[in-house]
Amino acid sequence: DARVTQTPRHKVTEMGQEVTMRCQPILGHNTVFWYRQTMMQGLELLAYFRNRAPLDDSGMPKDRFSAEMPDATLATLKIQPSEPRDSAVYFCASVPGQGYNEQFFGPGTRLTVL
Amino acid sequence: GDSVTQMEGPVTLSEEAFLTINCTYTATGYPSLFWYVQYPGEGLQLLLKATKADDKGSNKGFEATYRKETTSFHLEKGSVQVSDSAVYFCALSPNTGGFKTIFGAGTRLFVKA
Repeated sequence: DARVTQTPRHKVTEMGQEVTMRCQPILGHNTVFWYRQTMMQGLELLAYFRNRAPLDDSGMPKDRFSAEMPDATLATLKIQPSEPRDSAVYFCASVPGQGYNEQFFGPGTRLTVL
Repeated sequence: GDSVTQMEGPVTLSEEAFLTINCTYTATGYPSLFWYVQYPGEGLQLLLKATKADDKGSNKGFEATYRKETTSFHLEKGSVQVSDSAVYFCALSPNTGGFKTIFGAGTRLFVKA
């Protein structure tokens, strides 16, 4: 049963610290999305990649957030420095491509910045 | 731009009641339409989808029909169960090859025993 995996599942850190979240998309999926979910803002698209190339990161605060896909099996989202307002659940999702546009979500990383 | 509007929650129903969650969309062209469900502590998962006008998506007793004339994709279930308690998201994906998906704000459903 192929699934998107995310690590860590939970992260508590102090303001100013660097946070790195990792995502392993389903093997063979060529498009990867990063979302942030909060009670106030709902689900927000931060960035997405196609065949490892960034296509759109307009939803991401550029001064502190960065997203990369070093290889086809790993996507990373980094926050440096972290702030309390970054507290949220961060989801990764992958899409098979080839005209099939259902998104497969990971379980999320719950980030708390104190 | 493309957008999705769904009814605000929470929706609270008793077990075996009929469920409707309204969803309307704005899009150019002919998008694919989806309902995703999120259970507590989990990521979203696809519940059902429809790819063209008049298609009916169905799964686990839920169904929704793609109505182009009213730009709607309302979710229905004839008899809800406690286990259906979750957040439901209506979404669209423009069929332009980008695979980007526009999500609604989500509707929380509580089902009481």
